Amino acid sequence: AQTVTQSQPEMSVQEAETVTLSCTYDTSESDYYLFWYKQPPSRQMILVIRQEAYKQQNATENRFSVNFQKAAKSFSLKISDSQLGDAAMYFCAYRSLMNRDDKIIFGKGTRLHILP
Amino acid sequence: EPEVTQTPSHQVTQMGQEVILRCVPISNHLYFYWYRQILGQKVEFLVSFYNNEISEKSEIFDDQFSVERPDGSNFTLKIRSTKLEDSAMYFCASSNRGRLNTEAFFGQGTRLTVV
Repeated sequence: AQTVTQSQPEMSVQEAETVTLSCTYDTSESDYYLFWYKQPPSRQMILVIRQEAYKQQNATENRFSVNFQKAAKSFSLKISDSQLGDAAMYFCAYRSLMNRDDKIIFGKGTRLHILP
Repeated sequence: EPEVTQTPSHQVTQMGQEVILRCVPISNHLYFYWYRQILGQKVEFLVSFYNNEISEKSEIFDDQFSVERPDGSNFTLKIRSTKLEDSAMYFCASSNRGRLNTEAFFGQGTRLTVV
C-alpha cells in the first residue's frame, strides 16, 4: 500500500523568506501523481501544485515550486517570498494512475506559520 | 470556475441520530469521494464512488455509513447512528481520471458535531 510521510508537523518562516516543506512517499508503482494541498483556517482544501511522475521537470506555480526526486521518492514544496496569506496547513498527497485504486492518499500535514 | 458544493456547512446532531451530508460534485466529473478530518489530524479516506457503485472503501467506512447518488447531481453520505467519535470535518471531492484530469476538487467541508 502507498504511504505519504511528512516529517515536519510545524514550520515557521519570516515573511518574504523562502521555506521548504518535506514529503516522502512509498510506492511500488511507476505511474502516479503527487500534489500539495493547502488548508487555510477556513478548512477548505486548495490545490497548490501537482507533479506527474513521468515528467522529470519540476512543476512551478508562481511562488510555489517542487523538488521531485523520483528515485528517492521525495517531493518537497518550496515557497518563495512567503506571504502572510501562505499561513496554513499543507498536505502532500499521492494518487495512483495505474489501477483501480484511484483514491488520493494524504500525509499528516505540516502547519506553516508566517512571522511578520 | 466550477466548484464542489457541500451542505450544510455545520451540522450538530445528538448521538444516535442519523445525518445526511450532501454534496454537489462538478458536473462532468465521474469519480466521487468522501474524506474525513478529525480536528487537527490527517485527512482520512472514507469511500470512492464510480459508475453508481462504491469502488473502494476504508476500514472506517463500516455499516453505519452509506453513500448514494440519488439523482445524477447530488452525492450524499449518510451516517445511520452517529457516535461522539464521528465528530469531524467531512469533505466531498470529485475528479476525472486520465493524465490531464487527475486532481480532486474538494468542497468546503461540513463540520459535524455529535453531542
